[in-house]
Amino acid sequence: GAGVSQSPRYKVAKRGQDVALRCDPISGHVSLFWYQQALGQGPEFLTYFQNEAQLDKSGLPSDRFFAERPEGSVSTLKIQRTQQEDSAVYLCASSLARGDSYEQYFGPGTRLTVT
Amino acid sequence: GQNIDQPTEMTATEGAIVQINCTYQTSGFNGLFWYQQHAGEAPTFLSYNVLDGLEEKGRFSSFLSRSKGYSYLLLKELQMKDSASYLCAVPGGAAGNKLTFGGGTRVLVKP
Repeated sequence: GAGVSQSPRYKVAKRGQDVALRCDPISGHVSLFWYQQALGQGPEFLTYFQNEAQLDKSGLPSDRFFAERPEGSVSTLKIQRTQQEDSAVYLCASSLARGDSYEQYFGPGTRLTVT
Repeated sequence: GQNIDQPTEMTATEGAIVQINCTYQTSGFNGLFWYQQHAGEAPTFLSYNVLDGLEEKGRFSSFLSRSKGYSYLLLKELQMKDSASYLCAVPGGAAGNKLTFGGGTRVLVKP
């Protein structure tokens, strides 16, 4: 079946603009994660949803970052008043259930460049 | 907290073997994942270890020692397509299985 998809794949924003990044997880996957990956680094956790409930947002770097998953499927990560340090690849991942052994399936990411 | 260390970069020759080490410090242990990530692409799952020992899966094997806080990924019969970053990660978190990743090891396979 289809994997995790993300859109747009590339986004260029001027500093101060708002952006919205979309994630379509694998159908039926309960858990959804957002990660931020800087160039040459490993992904860093941003936030986690179980169905529509945002259970962990401890990784969001500031109150300019906001995520939602209103119907427990598609999720949107919104960044307000973008700054240059927000430039990174934003990865979405989903897994079948909550639990440490469950493999996470990653999307291709959205590469955000803030100029 | 969780801390994951792995080498930044390794170079090997096509057909050879490369071992990528990962050391971790975690509050509690719930297994360890290895992912492969080609440049500009999504990380893809390679292995999950929760018990000590070696697990072999084709050309790739993964080893875990919980007492030493140590894992390695062994890539045998290297192919050019194995040039990628290899990410070591541990799950954990009060509200789910969020992954804490190491910085990744970039492997360059030369002909």
